[in-house]
Amino acid sequence: SAVISQKPSRDICQRGTSLTIQCQVDSQVTMMFWYRQQPGQSLTLIATANQGSEATYESGFVIDKFPISRPNLTFSTLTVSNMSPEDSSIYLCSAFNRATGGSHGYTFGSGTRLTVV
Amino acid sequence: KQEVTQIPAALSVPEGENLVLNCSFTDSAIYNLQWFRQDPGKGLTSLLLIQSSQREQTSGRLNASLDKSSGRSTLYIAASQPGDSATYLCAENQGGKLIFGQGTELSVKP
Repeated sequence: SAVISQKPSRDICQRGTSLTIQCQVDSQVTMMFWYRQQPGQSLTLIATANQGSEATYESGFVIDKFPISRPNLTFSTLTVSNMSPEDSSIYLCSAFNRATGGSHGYTFGSGTRLTVV
Repeated sequence: KQEVTQIPAALSVPEGENLVLNCSFTDSAIYNLQWFRQDPGKGLTSLLLIQSSQREQTSGRLNASLDKSSGRSTLYIAASQPGDSATYLCAENQGGKLIFGQGTELSVKP
């Protein structure tokens, strides 16, 4: 299955600033996703990162707050914009390869632990 | 709205004990179901993937079952070890998007 490198692993940011998180996959994958895990909670899908086009956002998440790029089949970025303390969470990227019939399921990056002060 | 529920929310067992974690889902038309492990503050490690056409999968001391008709999956851990301490998450694949349960926090005491 694919291996995902995610960075940074953690950061402490000032409110009002933005942070860009990167994910690099070691092989081409058909689908990439971004999740948020708030303290003590499970994972919530933010959006599906579409290659070469605008991401598809879930209810409650908007492009102005969480712009996403996916320039090719192995790389994606998530930006958390104009941060507030409520954005303090773990952010995770995930990949899924339809080409293998989903036989390996979903793979996740190691996560970015964001603290906004 | 599809929902995934995991019980118990937390479990503490002595080392060596066999245990079962439960996962229930509301939509039987799933693509597959995946079990993950998450260590504190870390990402997710995939443990087992069960396709909708399968009834169970095994990996080492882990065995996961799937019963679509009842909307349930179980993760069986044999001969538990302190290194198994982590949060275990099940996730239902609805054809492109994962719906996660809240997780079971497992503590295995030496």
